[in-house]
Amino acid sequence: EAQVTQNPRYLITVTGKKLTVTCSQNMNHEYMSWYRQDPGLGLRQIYYSMNVEVTDKGDVPEGYKVSRKEKRNFPLILESPSPNQTSLYFCASSFRAEANTEAFFGQGTRLTVV
Amino acid sequence: AQSVAQPEDQVNVAEGNPLTVKCTYSVSGNPYLFWYVQYPNRGLQFLLKYITGDNLVKGSYGFEAEFNKSQTSFHLKKPSALVSDSALYFCAVRDGWSNDYKLSFGAGTTVTVRA
Repeated sequence: EAQVTQNPRYLITVTGKKLTVTCSQNMNHEYMSWYRQDPGLGLRQIYYSMNVEVTDKGDVPEGYKVSRKEKRNFPLILESPSPNQTSLYFCASSFRAEANTEAFFGQGTRLTVV
Repeated sequence: AQSVAQPEDQVNVAEGNPLTVKCTYSVSGNPYLFWYVQYPNRGLQFLLKYITGDNLVKGSYGFEAEFNKSQTSFHLKKPSALVSDSALYFCAVRDGWSNDYKLSFGAGTTVTVRA
């Protein structure tokens, strides 16, 4: 089954404790991105990757890191999480970076930083 | 710069009645428009997109949307709503002339269809 898989689905952590949210897709997609969803703000892009070893900042990159060493994986790293990073996070992938391709989303990771 | 506005936080309709979810957009270049739906505890699912061609686009689950360039709108419609259509709906836009392929989302509209 074609899908984008995120882990974990739920995570509660403490301020300053490094964490990684994994994202993997099995569709051989080139383009991957991370979003955070906050009430009243919709989805905002954190980082995106147009292909292996190519990543760039989205609208809200502060406090986050990403890497794209393999085509299928695009982990999101929070080196020192803070309470304002409490949010619902989505990973998405698209066949290519072209503007006319739709995105496939993971099921989300609900992160709480206390 | 690009942006999307969904003017209604919530839309409530009775089952069997027409459903409309409004979306307006702003882009510098050529608009590529998308609708996604999010069911509780699920990721976003693609419904339909407008890239070029016919202004009326048909998508999944009986939904359609009409692109109106002069009004910069891309409203989502369904002729006869079902209770199972209750969900959170997002409109999104990409600038077809941009090199970063950024997808910008609206704040979302919660649709409730009552039996």
